[in-house]
Amino acid sequence: QVQLVESGGGLVKPGGSLRLSCAASGFTFSDYYMSWIRQAPGKGLEWVSYISSASVYTIYADSVKGRFTISRDNAKNSLYLQMNSLRAEDTAVYYCARGPLRGCDGSSCYFVDYWGQGTLVPVSS
Amino acid sequence: EIVLTQSPDFQSVTPKEKVTITCRASQSIGTGLHWYQQRPDQSPKLLIKYASQPFSGVPSRFSGTGSGTDFTLTIDGLEAEDAATYYCHHETFGQGTKVEIK
Repeated sequence: QVQLVESGGGLVKPGGSLRLSCAASGFTFSDYYMSWIRQAPGKGLEWVSYISSASVYTIYADSVKGRFTISRDNAKNSLYLQMNSLRAEDTAVYYCARGPLRGCDGSSCYFVDYWGQGTLVPVSS
Repeated sequence: EIVLTQSPDFQSVTPKEKVTITCRASQSIGTGLHWYQQRPDQSPKLLIKYASQPFSGVPSRFSGTGSGTDFTLTIDGLEAEDAATYYCHHETFGQGTKVEIK
C-alpha cells in the first residue's frame, strides 16, 4: 500500500533553515509528481510546492518562492523540502503528498491522492 | 489566482441525516475540483476526485457533483465517523467545512 513518511521537523529560530524529507513506498515513486502541503495550527490547508516525476518542473506558492526548494531522489524514493529564511508564519504541519502519474497539464498537476502523517515545524525564538 | 469558497463553515448534524457542502470557484475550473476529509488529528484523505469520481475505498454515501464554478459534496446518511473537516481543492484549497455530530 502507498506509504509516505515525513521527517526532519522541529523547532527552528526565525531566519533559520530546515530540510524536510519524505520516504515513499508501495508505488513506483519515479512515475509520480509529488507535492508539499502545509497546515498552520488550527488553520486550513495551504499548497506549498510540487515537483514533476523527473524533476524537470517545480512550482512554488508565492508565500515560499525564493526561500523554499523542493527536490527528489528517485533512486532513494525520497522527496525533500529545503526551507531557508524561515518566518513565524511558516509554522505548520508539513505534509508530503503523491501527485499525478507522470504527465499532467496545468491545474491537474496540483492534484494529490495519498498524504503522509505530517511533520511539525514550529518557527519561534 | 482562483479562490475557492466553501459553505457553510460549520454544520452540526444528526446521524443518518443528509449533509451538503458547497464549493464555489471564483472562475470556471471545469471539473478540476477534488474533495478531502480530515478527521481530528489525522492527515487529509481523498474522497472525490475531478468533481464526481469516488476515490478507491470511499464509502458510497459520499458523492460529488458540479462543474464550472459550483460544486457539491453530499454525505447521504451521516455516520459518527464522518465528524471531520472537509476541504475542496483545485490549485488552492477552500477554507474548510467542519461537520460535527449532534
